Amino acid sequence: EDQVTQSPEALRLQEGESSSLNCSYTVSGLRGLFWYRQDPGKGPEFLFTLYSAGEEKEKERLKATLTKKESFLHITAPKPEDSATYLCAVLRGSGGYNKLIFGAGTRLAVHP
Amino acid sequence: DAGVTQSPTHLIKTRGQQVTLRCSPKSGHDTVSWYQQALGQGPQFIFQYYEEEERQRGNFPDRFSGHQFPNYSSELNVNALLLGDSALYLCASSSRDRGPYGYTFGSGTRLTVV
Repeated sequence: EDQVTQSPEALRLQEGESSSLNCSYTVSGLRGLFWYRQDPGKGPEFLFTLYSAGEEKEKERLKATLTKKESFLHITAPKPEDSATYLCAVLRGSGGYNKLIFGAGTRLAVHP
Repeated sequence: DAGVTQSPTHLIKTRGQQVTLRCSPKSGHDTVSWYQQALGQGPQFIFQYYEEEERQRGNFPDRFSGHQFPNYSSELNVNALLLGDSALYLCASSSRDRGPYGYTFGSGTRLTVV
């Protein structure tokens, strides 16, 4: 069965303290791994899609990487405005129709 | 350009009642997917509509049903509400050819069942 597991569940950082969030997955034939940011009371906001092992993508202080079994979201010198829940998801589907299978997320709090 | 609009934003219902949630997709999108997000959990796929038909469905009981209208807007109906149905219900729109690669999520409807 497809499974997406994120760790840690929650992370508290001081401003400027770099760290990484982990997303491990067990799916056959990965066709896309997605990272989203979600602020309280809001819908998920798209960050990155990764397709194959070794791929990396960057956006401001965030960098996402992908291996055959997991993905990392690296946060460099975070600021308080980076506080949010970060969700990882994998693409699944059949017959030309697809959906996302999400992990439970990592709640990040960055303190000044 | 308006994004995905969901209504209402918050709703309180009593156990056993029925509820209807609404979603207007982003301009240019023709596919609507619904997700349920319980507190502290990731979103779970409920179902997807394209050309006014349900195209795929997640592991949700028949109490959850939906509809898509000719203008691509969609409704999610939940009958015989249970306390466990309390969650944030998210609508994601996309174009048929891009699917989840082009998802835009709405801000959701927070449903509380008491």
